Amino acid sequence: KNEVEQSPQNLTAQEGEFITINCSYSVGISALHWLQQHPGGGIVSLFMLSSGKKKHGRLIATINIQEKHSSLHITASHPRDSAVYICAALYNNNDMRFGAGTRLTVKP
Amino acid sequence: NAGVTQTPKFQVLKTGQSMTLQCAQDMNHEYMSWYRQDPGMGLRLIHYSVGAGITDQGEVPNGYNVSRSTTEDFPLRLLSAAPSQTSVYFCASKRTEYNEQFFGPGTRLTVL
Repeated sequence: KNEVEQSPQNLTAQEGEFITINCSYSVGISALHWLQQHPGGGIVSLFMLSSGKKKHGRLIATINIQEKHSSLHITASHPRDSAVYICAALYNNNDMRFGAGTRLTVKP
Repeated sequence: NAGVTQTPKFQVLKTGQSMTLQCAQDMNHEYMSWYRQDPGMGLRLIHYSVGAGITDQGEVPNGYNVSRSTTEDFPLRLLSAAPSQTSVYFCASKRTEYNEQFFGPGTRLTVL
């Protein structure tokens, strides 16, 4: 299986800025998963998508199957959005490969 | 529901010692898995189970054993701990037909 690449590795933004985190994978997948890891270490699921776009509050996730690329956007960023964001490619129901994560810091 | 629980939260072992990391879920999920997270690397799958009595190896299974005697529990055993097993371990579960995973709070293990 091929790796999952995320960029940037680290990202610092001012409160209110629009944030984009990118994820690319090099073979076909069944779905792409975005996760958030809090500073305390807990991991929560944000989105699971296989096509198009999903929105939840200020978070938007998109995926382009042809280009093997997904993006996570945060509108009107806030310091509480500071966390590590992880994308994971689901190759079948039992094989999930994870990116190394993007550490986001939002300054007030 | 408590979700996915893990014990202990922290553990320090000496090289060669054995221990079991506990994982339990109360959501009646068929699929359970163990991951390790190391600095600068993504989560890596150690072992997984698609139901009671069924386990399989993931990407990095060496040095770890698992069993699944009940739907609720999926313990991870280190038979002879090595410094290379110093890591943060996460247990996760999901329904087989739905792909969203629910993660436990993690266990930070240090092997001296």
